[in-house]
Amino acid sequence: GENVEQHPSTLSVQEGDSAVIKCTYSDSASNYFPWYKQELGKRPQLIIDIRSNVGEKKDQRIAVTLNKTAKHFSLHITETQPEDSAVYFCAASRSPGNQFYFGTGTSLTVIP
Amino acid sequence: EPEVTQTPSHQVTQMGQEVILRCVPISNHLYFYWYRQILGQKVEFLVSFYNNEISEKSEIFDDQFSVERPDGSNFTLKIRSTKLEDSAMYFCASSERAGNEQYFGPGTRLTVT
Repeated sequence: GENVEQHPSTLSVQEGDSAVIKCTYSDSASNYFPWYKQELGKRPQLIIDIRSNVGEKKDQRIAVTLNKTAKHFSLHITETQPEDSAVYFCAASRSPGNQFYFGTGTSLTVIP
Repeated sequence: EPEVTQTPSHQVTQMGQEVILRCVPISNHLYFYWYRQILGQKVEFLVSFYNNEISEKSEIFDDQFSVERPDGSNFTLKIRSTKLEDSAMYFCASSERAGNEQYFGPGTRLTVT
């Protein structure tokens, strides 16, 4: 089955700096890669996703890049703010069934 | 904006007891999922459900687990005889169709004593 690795496990940045979180996957059939943000004690919330037919997607301060050949994808957060502090999970999936395989999470702390 | 809801928010049960966790997916969604997250660990897939049957399940989803859509709105996860290691946060999720984003509920924290 699919194996998703995520790095780093913890990340601290100064407010205003950029943060980058990287994930690799093993199953070349995976074609959908969402990123979830989970604040303490709350539900995971989708922040951005990318499909295998594009290499990059951007939504304001958040961007995701995908390298299908190397089987890795990354989350980029620019101009970080304290409210960006949370645990971020990457995931990979493919149809049918569509189960998500999650990474181990990155705890991001933005220092004011 | 419609959301997935789950009840109860916290369930405490004794080892060996049966528990039922309830979820109400977003109304026009057709695919339903259960995940669990042991404290401090990653979210793990349990089962997916479509057209009134299981479409995929993980190794975690053994004979102690079952899912049901008893009516047009609820989606339940039953654990027949709980074990200590079943203690976790259980998330329900739904999506409009396969390959689309999944929306997560707030979770039920299950504590088995």
